[in-house]
This record gives sequence, structure tokens and C-alpha cells, in this order.
Amino acid sequence: AQKITQTQPGMFVQEKEAVTLDCTYDTSDPSYGLFWYKQPSSGEMIFLIYQGSYDQQNATEGRYSLNFQKARKSANLVISASQLGDSAMYFCAMRGNILTGGGNKLTFGTGTQLKVEL
Amino acid sequence: DARVTQTPRHKVTEMGQEVTMRCQPILGHNTVFWYRQTMMQGLELLAYFRNRAPLDDSGMPKDRFSAEMPDATLATLKIQPSEPRDSAVYFCASGLVGRGLLFFGQGTRLTVV
Repeated sequence: AQKITQTQPGMFVQEKEAVTLDCTYDTSDPSYGLFWYKQPSSGEMIFLIYQGSYDQQNATEGRYSLNFQKARKSANLVISASQLGDSAMYFCAMRGNILTGGGNKLTFGTGTQLKVEL
Repeated sequence: DARVTQTPRHKVTEMGQEVTMRCQPILGHNTVFWYRQTMMQGLELLAYFRNRAPLDDSGMPKDRFSAEMPDATLATLKIQPSEPRDSAVYFCASGLVGRGLLFFGQGTRLTVV
């Protein structure tokens, strides 16, 4: 079974600083994918970044980067130069092996509430 | 701008009433998911469809919940009878088979009083 753990219920960061949101996962499958979604107070779920288990390099998307440490089973999200608009709930999620049919479902962590302060 | 559309956005109903939530997935997507979000349980998968066929509804209370896809442009989630513990935000999401990446609708906030 797959499991995602986010141990930080809430985080504070000052505007323009970088912040790391932690995510660890557990799976016995060698093929999987990791996602980060952002949920602002308006409620929608916004896809941020994706990392495949066989990707050699860490994923980056603008100010977002994913610090993927496979041996430690961690996939931390790094947000550089935080902005007030980054205040939101952030969810880490994992999909299973595409070849065995597990690629369709996402398992989510409990989320981290990020507050960016002036 | 392709997006998943959910209706209604908000619903307040009395216990015992039937509730139907609707979802229009992104055109061309062949997987559709229903998730429920609560403070206590977080995001729970209720059901998912591939090419309109139900593949997994193990997360759904079978006695009162039902999910269908009458056609490729419409997915429905029905609760009958509704109970206060069903109060939550219900998300529909769609994607392509095997990709894992899901695009979410804005959710239906259900309150059962």
C-alpha cells in the first residue's frame, strides 16, 4: 500500500525567503510518481510540480522545485522567493505503477498550511 | 481554457434529502475521480472511472452513495439519504489513463443540516 506523510501541519515564512515543505512516502513499487498541489483559501486544487521515480534530475517549475531523495523516500517542495500569494495549503501526492494499473489513482498526504508574512 | 466544471458550488440540504453533484470533465480526458475532503480525514478517494466504466468505488459508502457516468461529458455523485456526516467538499478530477496528473474542479461544498 502507498502512504504519504506530511509532518508539518503549519509553516510560516517571511516574504522573499525560501521555504521547504516536507513529504515522505512509502511504497514497495519501484515505479511511481510524486506530485505537489496547492489549495488556496478559494478551495481549488492547483497542480504545481511532478517527479517521476526514474527521473534523474530534480523537477523544477519556476519558483517551485522538488528535492527528490529516493533513498530517503522524500520529495520535499522548495518554494523560492516566497510571495504573499503563496499562502495556501500544500498537498503531496503519489501515483502508483502505470504498468500495473496503479498509475491512475493519487494518494494524498494530510497537507501543510503555509503562511507567508510581510 | 480547459477546466473541470462542478455544479453546484455550494449546497445546503436537510438530513434525509437526496443530493446530486455533477461534474463535466476536461474534454478528451478518460479518467474521472471523485474525492471528498474533510478536516478530519483529508482527501479521500470515493470512486473512479476509466473510459466511463467504474473501476473502483471501494471508498464510497455503498448504502447511500452512488456514482455514474452517463456519458463522457458528465459524471454524477448522488447521496440518498444524506446525513450530517456527509458534510464536506466533494471534488471531481479528470485526467488521462496512466498519467497520474489530475485536474480538479472547484469542488462542491455540501452542508447537511
